Amino acid sequence: QLQLQESGPGLVKPSETLSLTCTVSGGSISSSSYYWGWIRQPPGKGLEWIGSIYYSGSTYYNPSLKSRVTISVDTSKNQFSLKLSSVTAADTAVYYCARHPDGYNSGYYYMDVWGKGTTVTVSS
Amino acid sequence: QSALTQPPSASGSPGQSVTISCTGTSSDVGGYNYVSWYQQHPGKAPKLMIYEVSKRPSGVPDRFSGSKSGNTASLTVSGLQAEDEADYYCSSYAGSNPLYVFGTGTKVTVL
Repeated sequence: QLQLQESGPGLVKPSETLSLTCTVSGGSISSSSYYWGWIRQPPGKGLEWIGSIYYSGSTYYNPSLKSRVTISVDTSKNQFSLKLSSVTAADTAVYYCARHPDGYNSGYYYMDVWGKGTTVTVSS
Repeated sequence: QSALTQPPSASGSPGQSVTISCTGTSSDVGGYNYVSWYQQHPGKAPKLMIYEVSKRPSGVPDRFSGSKSGNTASLTVSGLQAEDEADYYCSSYAGSNPLYVFGTGTKVTVL
């Protein structure tokens, strides 16, 4: 059974870089059929897609965050990571990692496996 | 790209039905049959309930159904049960920029 687990610091100072890792277990991140994405949810608010990466390194980013976001993949560790620079209090949120099919080739666009989420607070 | 619009709340008594709307534009909901719905209980991760407007993943009760007309998609929960009380989010493929857009979320209360 595929599982995703987010990890990283729960507290980040303003203007610094938020770094999170998602570890995939029970399956290979190198599957040719899936992208691996990051989604966040500020306290009491809705979901926001941040970006996604393919095992080859191909990425999609939300234009609203693109200038501050970098998503990378480490297939040897079955992990992918998120870096968000120049954070402010507005970046305080629960950050989820999730899997979604490679829609361009499969015709499927949805997120079917999610991690439990990790809370990141931006504060000095 | 703005978030898809959902009503903040909806409610129904056990056994009744509740329908949640999700309004977007021709660039997302109206342009593709790639609307999905997620259920989120407090403190939990979202769970996929509907994909491709009306398809249910394995294990999702057939009490959950989806539809779409123009730029508005809908989720109907029939035969409401206590465990259906949760937040529900729609999502749509929106081309590649961004890839996905989510709705504002609807809190469903079982009276």
